[in-house]
Amino acid sequence: TQLLEQSPQFLSIQEGENLTVYCNSSSVFSSLQWYRQEPGEGPVLLVTVVTGGEVKKLKRLTFQFGDARKDSSLHITAAQPGDTGLYLCAGAGSNDYKLSFGAGTTVTVRA
Amino acid sequence: GAVVSQHPSRVICKSGTSVKIECRSLDFQATTMFWYRQFPKQSLMLMATSNEGSKATYEQGVEKDKFLINHASLTLSTLTVTSAHPEDSSFYICSAAKRDSRQYFGPGTRLTVT
Repeated sequence: TQLLEQSPQFLSIQEGENLTVYCNSSSVFSSLQWYRQEPGEGPVLLVTVVTGGEVKKLKRLTFQFGDARKDSSLHITAAQPGDTGLYLCAGAGSNDYKLSFGAGTTVTVRA
Repeated sequence: GAVVSQHPSRVICKSGTSVKIECRSLDFQATTMFWYRQFPKQSLMLMATSNEGSKATYEQGVEKDKFLINHASLTLSTLTVTSAHPEDSSFYICSAAKRDSRQYFGPGTRLTVT
């Protein structure tokens, strides 16, 4: 089993501040995905990163995949209350479709 | 698009009864579907991988006789929780994989066993 460690577990910030969530592993992944989940709903895919060193931007969200494809980060600039949710990273191996999920980071953005 | 639906969204059943949850990929065919369970404020735990036309592959610690999975077509997989007990109460989420291996998740089913 490939394990993904996500940190921090909880993050509470004021509207307008920046935040970063980290996802680390000792294993190499063929791709890594970030999801956001709201209570009572399924996870929604935000981005998939595939290439080592890749950086993807989605409005105020910036995703980075480590050069060795073992770690990733999610940075949110000028967070808004609508960014509140559970953020999950998930890594895919090269041989199957199975995803290994991190423990998740609960982000709360206060107005 | 890649829309996955689940039915029901919420279900309450009595201890000892069985309940079936459906997962459908609405606008694409999925040879592989996955079933997860999620406890409050925790991450998703993979229960089993469901392949169309073959037996499901269960993760370690998941009882295959208790959690019956049927993947009868390329757009439908079902999970039946047999002889449910209160400890089976959880949020069950399915996902369907496209050919490019990306997984798309359903909205989840909240099961409460009384």
